[in-house]
Parts: sequence; C-alpha cells; structure tokens
Amino acid sequence: SQTIHQWPATLVQPVGSPLSLECTVEGTSNPNLYWYRQAAGRGLQLLFYSVGIGQISSEVPQNLSASRPQDRQFILSSKKLLLSDSGFYLCAWSVMRSYNEQFFGPGTRLTVL
Amino acid sequence: AQSVTQPDIHITVSEGASLELRCNYSYGATPYLFWYVQSPGQGLQLLLKYFSGDTLVQGIKGFEAEFKRSQSSFNLRKPSVHWSDAAEYFCAVGAQAGTALIFGKGTTLSVSS
Repeated sequence: SQTIHQWPATLVQPVGSPLSLECTVEGTSNPNLYWYRQAAGRGLQLLFYSVGIGQISSEVPQNLSASRPQDRQFILSSKKLLLSDSGFYLCAWSVMRSYNEQFFGPGTRLTVL
Repeated sequence: AQSVTQPDIHITVSEGASLELRCNYSYGATPYLFWYVQSPGQGLQLLLKYFSGDTLVQGIKGFEAEFKRSQSSFNLRKPSVHWSDAAEYFCAVGAQAGTALIFGKGTTLSVSS
C-alpha cells in the first residue's frame, strides 16, 4: 500500500531563517506531488505541484520554492522566512493520469516568530 | 475558471441528528468531485468521490453525497451524526488529470451532546 510521510511534524523558526520541509511517498511510482498551505479560516492554498522529477509549477508568487530531486521526494524551501509563512503545510500525491484523487500526508505545523 | 463554494463556515449539530453540508461548484464540463475530512492537526482523509454514473455516492464512516448537475451541487449527508464526526470538511473539484484540485474554504462541524 501507499504511504506518504512528512517531516518534521512541527517546527518553530525565527524570521529570516531558512526552511526545508520534506515529503516522501512510498508504494507508488511517478506520482503527481503537491504542496498546500493551510492558514486559519482560509482553506487550502495550492503552492506548488509537480508531475515529474525537476518539473515544478508554482501557483502563487511567494517567499517559497519547491524541488523534486527524486521521483517520490518533494521538498519545500525558503531562504528567509517571513511571519506570514506560518501555517500548516500539507503534502499530497495522486496517480499520474488519474482523476486527480489526492492523498494527503499528516502535515507540518510551521510557526515563524 | 473552476471554483468551489462552501456556504457554511461553521455548523453545530446535535449528536444523533442528521447532517447536510453544502457544496456548490463552478465548472464547464462534468467535474470530478470530492469530500475530505480533517481532524485538528491532521492531514485530510478522503470521504468519498464522484467521477460519473450514479449520482448518489457512498463513502466511508456512513457518509453519502449527491451530485446534482442542475444545481451545481455536491452536498454531503449523514443520517445520524456521532461526536467523533466533529471536524473540518472540505469539498473539492478536479478537472483534467494531472492538475490540482480546487478546494472550498471548508465547513467546521461541531457536535453537541
């Protein structure tokens, strides 16, 4: 069966510090991968999605970037965090050429102070 | 452009009472429709999905949803709510394979005893 992992589960970082959140998927090949951010009362905001290694689509201009160095690994990064980067970050995957049914990881709670 | 509206931000239902959460979508063709549930601090879990065929779909945990094309709606229902159903519920619409889902802003369900 397929599983998706995210780490760390929680993170507290000072403003201006770098960020690296990691997501890995097991049990499937060539997945579509997604990063979402969830802020209180604002639903899910799609940040990035990837249909293959090195292929990243950015949905919202922001202080973040994403990379996909391996087929089942998706990394969310920032060089300098802002207060507004605080939130709950969710990684998700779907099967390529599917009806877009997505499966979510457990999330990372990021607090920027 | 696709969009999803969940008109109710917060709903409170008595335990044992019936539940209906509303979802309206905007999409030119037949959409792929999903309901997800999120417990506090957790990722999203898929409750049910509609791709085609029977407009009444059954999901996990006793939930069902009905697709009504004429009303552009995909409302979630449960005949008898349990305290463990208290969570946030998201409706989502998908279009082409390989693209991301569009999520509504969510409805928070509280269950009173």
